[in-house]
Amino acid sequence: GQNIDQPTEMTATEGAIVQINCTYQTSGFNGLFWYQQHAGEAPTFLSYNVLDGLEEKGRFSSFLSRSKGYSYLLLKELQMKDSASYLCAPMDSNYQLIWGAGTKLIIKP
Amino acid sequence: TAGITQAPTSQILAAGRSMTLRCTQDMRHNAMYWYRQDLGLGLRLIHYSNTAGTTGKGEVPDGYSVSRANTDDFPLTLASAVPSQTSVYFCASSDSGGSNQPQHFGDGTRLSIL
Repeated sequence: GQNIDQPTEMTATEGAIVQINCTYQTSGFNGLFWYQQHAGEAPTFLSYNVLDGLEEKGRFSSFLSRSKGYSYLLLKELQMKDSASYLCAPMDSNYQLIWGAGTKLIIKP
Repeated sequence: TAGITQAPTSQILAAGRSMTLRCTQDMRHNAMYWYRQDLGLGLRLIHYSNTAGTTGKGEVPDGYSVSRANTDDFPLTLASAVPSQTSVYFCASSDSGGSNQPQHFGDGTRLSIL
């Protein structure tokens, strides 16, 4: 079956760094997306990885290891506005996104 | 910039009634999607359309129907609502279906079935 595993909740301090892990099992693989979702709002696209390695985009970076079925999202210089849920979504062989339940990130001053 | 517009924003509906959730996009995206999001679960795909005139079933299609008469609109209909359909419904679109293009989401419709 298809399965996504990411922590339910994490807490971090403003200005610090946090890494949100995601492990996945899918039928085929066509890349992995990370989305941010603030409470009561729509998910918004953050990053896409299809090859192994690190993709950096400003304060946010995303890493992929296809052989391990593993990805992480790294957030640097945390700001209060980064408090949100982060959704890991690999894409299967049919190009359908398989969504994790998300990691709720709480930023404390 | 409108992007994707969903209506209504929220609705309370009596069980057994029918309801159509509207979704319109102005990005000329070929592919559109309907998801439901429930607490503690990931987004689940209800129906999708890779291009105008075609639709497909997602993970949880039962009790829902869709149509795609043109590129811009992708309405979702609940023929006879049941309480288990209480959820937040998101419409999304992407440049093309069957590809790795990112999906862009509307603001959602919060639906309560009593």
